[in-house]
Amino acid sequence: KAGVTQTPRYLIKTRGQQVTLSCSPISGHRSVSWYQQTPGQGLQFLFEYFSETQRNKGNFPGRFSGRQFSNSRSEMNVSTLELGDSALYLCASSLVGMQETQYFGPGTRLLVL
Amino acid sequence: SQQGEEDPQALSIQEGENATMNCSYKTSINNLQWYRQNSGRGLVHLILIRSNEREKHSGRLRVTLDTSKKSSSLLITASRAADTASYFCATAELTGANNLFFGTGTRLTVIP
Repeated sequence: KAGVTQTPRYLIKTRGQQVTLSCSPISGHRSVSWYQQTPGQGLQFLFEYFSETQRNKGNFPGRFSGRQFSNSRSEMNVSTLELGDSALYLCASSLVGMQETQYFGPGTRLLVL
Repeated sequence: SQQGEEDPQALSIQEGENATMNCSYKTSINNLQWYRQNSGRGLVHLILIRSNEREKHSGRLRVTLDTSKKSSSLLITASRAADTASYFCATAELTGANNLFFGTGTRLTVIP
């Protein structure tokens, strides 16, 4: 099976812009979760989608949003970018949920200037 | 916060030596998982140990879990240069949030 894929791999944006990141889970996986990783804060959970519904949400402002399509592919959107949003954004998929083994994609590295 | 804490934060050993990393957490868990991350890349799942298990092996990896002390350890035996990476523990809470909480990670460097 193909692994989790994320596009794009690298992005450079300026403050105030918005960005959309995409994640394609492993075939058959219905749970997709998103994480932000920074040197200072480590790995922080953003949200999880399961069968097109947001099932869990971390402690991030409303500028961070996501959605999941019927084929389980997921997108996350960050509006009004801030310098502090520079990070590695990781997506992970699993068969049934976040408490089981997570399969991670390679990540999207976002730099906000 | 349920976020686990790994200890040590960084570890440097010679190839062939064993490496031990520890993880402590705060609340009751369903399971605890260990992941590896090579620099700037995605995480790779290593082992999942459930709350009713005490020890698990996978190749050169050995994980122990002590729920009374709320701690886990990851042992990598006969380390190789390719084991150089960051290692994270992640806990799945028994009650409350239905997600994984990742620790701060241990940066392992294996010197050839």
